[in-house]
Parts: sequence; C-alpha cells; structure tokens
Amino acid sequence: QSVLTQPPSVSGAPGQRVTISCTGSSSNIGAGYDVHWYQQLPGTAPKLLMYGNINRPSGVPDRFSGSKSGTSASLAITGLQAEDEADYYCQSYDTSLSDVVFGGGTKLTVL
Amino acid sequence: EVQLVESGGGLVQPGGSLRLSCAASGFTFSDYSMNWVRQAPGKGLEWVSYISGASNIIYYADSMRGRFTISRDNAKNSLYLQMNSLRAEDTAVYYCARDRDKYSPYYFDLWGQGTPVTVSS
Repeated sequence: QSVLTQPPSVSGAPGQRVTISCTGSSSNIGAGYDVHWYQQLPGTAPKLLMYGNINRPSGVPDRFSGSKSGTSASLAITGLQAEDEADYYCQSYDTSLSDVVFGGGTKLTVL
Repeated sequence: EVQLVESGGGLVQPGGSLRLSCAASGFTFSDYSMNWVRQAPGKGLEWVSYISGASNIIYYADSMRGRFTISRDNAKNSLYLQMNSLRAEDTAVYYCARDRDKYSPYYFDLWGQGTPVTVSS
C-alpha cells in the first residue's frame, strides 16, 4: 500500500486528454511538500517529467502539465500520442515517515 | 555526455552481501547529492537512501537502515551502496539518481539504467 495513491491505470485515444491523480495526506502533499512526476517507458529507467508541482524540465513537451491542491496533485496530458504509453509515478516527502514517498504508479494505455 | 552507470548487481544468497556502484560522468559530481531508488519486479519505485555532495548528510528508508550503507568517492565520481543481510524482498532493480537539493532528498533529475539484484538460494 503506497502512501501516495494513484489509479492503477488510465487510457485514452490519440489526441485526447487524460489526467492522473496522486492523493496523499496531511503529512505529505497536504503539509506543503512538493510533488514530482516521473515517466517510465517500458523496459527503461524512470525519467523526470515534472518537478515542483508545475515545472517541466527542458525537453518535456508542454502537452504535459501538473497541478496541486490540498492533499492531491494531478498530471494532465493533452494531445495524447502513442509514445506517451508508459508508467507514471508521483513522488513527494512524508514528514511522519521522514521518507521520500512514491505513488504506486499508473499505467497509461493509448488506445 | 551526462550520465549515470550502475554496476555490481547479481545473484546473492539470503543473508549475503553485495556492493553496488554508480559511475557519474558529464557533470561535477561533488556538486550534487545522490540517491538510490529500487524497483521490485513488476512493482513501483521505492526510495532507498540519500547522500549529500560532501557525504555529511545521509538518510535511509526505515526498512533499509542498519543493513544498507551509502557512500561516495568524489575523486572517482562514484556512488556506492553496500547491502548486507540481504533478504528475498530486497530483489529489485537498483537505480542511482541525482538529486536537486543539497540538504535533503527532493527530486531526481538524472537516473542510471539500473542494476538488477536477485536474492535467492
């Protein structure tokens, strides 16, 4: 059971918009800790996709956007493309555990 | 090229030890804190440990504390993870990852390709 809760899977057709939620608690996201997102393509290492809730690293398309409110955060992907098919993980810090925490991951399928 | 390359993984018996290495290149290694993150087969990501650039700040996940030791050699641009008293549940791909904070784990902007560790008799 992950400290941060993500839906196990989401799907969408090419060109559509999908969102992936990341729900935490008052000891992590709700305590003000930033949320970061990683994309893991099949058989590869994770790659930083979003940091500090809303910031995209250089090279990440602006089709990807992040948001945070209260004890939750979301990753939105617009104009879905086949190459977006991957696992997505949110990450934050939990003050009760004094640990970095990850969500369980969400598998995005492009139909 | 900016990259991290892990090595040292393999098959080890329960109760055994293994030392992982991560070679950094393309950036000033000593300027960055580093982490180890692992991923069990078919599972999600799990943070293992953090070390600051000068090795004066170190953190471990609770389940690894006392069994794992993180260290680095800035002269060799290398990060290490000494793993003792290994258990079957330590079976995972171990990634080294560069951190963007100098004082505590924050987010990881560069990852290696990972090295697999299998704990089995």
